[in-house]
Amino acid sequence: GESVGLHLPTLSVQEGDNSIINCAYSNSASDYFIWYKQESGKGPQFIIDIRSNMDKRQGQRVTVLLNKTVKHLSLQIAATQPGDSAVYFCAEKEGTGGTSYGKLTFGQGTILTVHP
Amino acid sequence: GAVVSQHPSWVICKSGTSVKIECRSLDFQATTMFWYRQFPKQSLMLMATSNEGSKATYEQGVEKDKFLINHASLTLSTLTVTSAHPEDSSFYICSAEDSFTDTQYFGPGTRLTVL
Repeated sequence: GESVGLHLPTLSVQEGDNSIINCAYSNSASDYFIWYKQESGKGPQFIIDIRSNMDKRQGQRVTVLLNKTVKHLSLQIAATQPGDSAVYFCAEKEGTGGTSYGKLTFGQGTILTVHP
Repeated sequence: GAVVSQHPSWVICKSGTSVKIECRSLDFQATTMFWYRQFPKQSLMLMATSNEGSKATYEQGVEKDKFLINHASLTLSTLTVTSAHPEDSSFYICSAEDSFTDTQYFGPGTRLTVL
């Protein structure tokens, strides 16, 4: 079946560096993408989202880039802080008319560790 | 921001008993809620989609008679794990979809341990 996957399972950075977390998706019917942050023992926390009619969206210290040509999604975190240490998941949702409309499909997750 | 709560946050039960987990959207209405389970160091796996006032839609391989879902109001969905066994031990997470924005907000999760 189609899936969302991540290139890197772990990422270690120094405090203050910029972090880039990547995600590849394969469902061409997906038109909505979300990044979530999950800390140990907690539920996923919404970070930022992007729809397929955009290729870039910025939030506070975070930027999501979408390349539909190669089905690639990335999350950039500027000036990474120790509090950013967590597992980051990308998720995709199909548009209307898709067989899985409304459902989120999650990627494997990337463990981000920020060293002081 | 939108808040979703779950109760209880953790539960330990004996094999064969049933456990009910509540999921509430606190400051928005959610026509649709979702139930996931997550094993250690793994991603979230969708179990079922809960629609207010109608039967839940279960993912392939999820036993509907074992995982009973009720979505009686626009702010509450419940998941009951019936006749729980040790293999049902997991982290159960719900999400609620804001009817206006389509954004899913997640609860804090419920850690179920079946002895």
